[in-house]
Amino acid sequence: QVQLEESGPGLMQPSETLSLTCTVSGFSLTSNGVGWVRQPLGKGLVWMGTIWAGGSTNYNSAVQSRLSISRDTSKSQVFLKMNSLQPEDTGTYYCARHPDYFDYWGQGVMVTVSS
Amino acid sequence: DIQMTQSPASLSASLEEIVTITCKASQGIDDYLSWYQQKPGKSPQLLIYDATSLADGVPSRFSGSRSGTQYSLKISRPQVDDSGIYYCLQSYSTLTFGSGTKLEIK
Repeated sequence: QVQLEESGPGLMQPSETLSLTCTVSGFSLTSNGVGWVRQPLGKGLVWMGTIWAGGSTNYNSAVQSRLSISRDTSKSQVFLKMNSLQPEDTGTYYCARHPDYFDYWGQGVMVTVSS
Repeated sequence: DIQMTQSPASLSASLEEIVTITCKASQGIDDYLSWYQQKPGKSPQLLIYDATSLADGVPSRFSGSRSGTQYSLKISRPQVDDSGIYYCLQSYSTLTFGSGTKLEIK
């Protein structure tokens, strides 16, 4: 069955670079896009970016200058890297399979940015 | 960017009511509209995609429709388990979510 699982550090310092991994199973990254969605604590959902089946990427303009999404198809992993972290980057980060909508989601990983 | 205006922000309904949540797009989005349910501490779950298509395993009491650039999610005879926060998402262009509707079923 389709599964996605996020992993990464829970606590980051301001100005550091966040690295998250989304490990997928049950589908191929060369046939499906995977997106990242952030949810600040107690707030709504924000799309951050997507890596498509062909390897191209799209980013939310609000974070585009700080964000990079890549993948390793041999390991079925998608990576999110975001630099210059600020406290407002605190939240839960989800990866989700993305065929024009998000049909399967990971459980999310909570990231706190604090000194 | 396309704005999605979701309403109401919160809603309380009984088991016998029909619940309707709407999202109005700031421009046409060609039915690239999906709906999600999120329960506390859980990931969002897909309910409706392409404006009207029911996702696998979703009860038939959920339905989606469109009138102009306004999209609606309807829950007929809701269950207590349908309580949660509902979001719309447009994927016609740079993806944007609605602000969410907190639904309580009494």
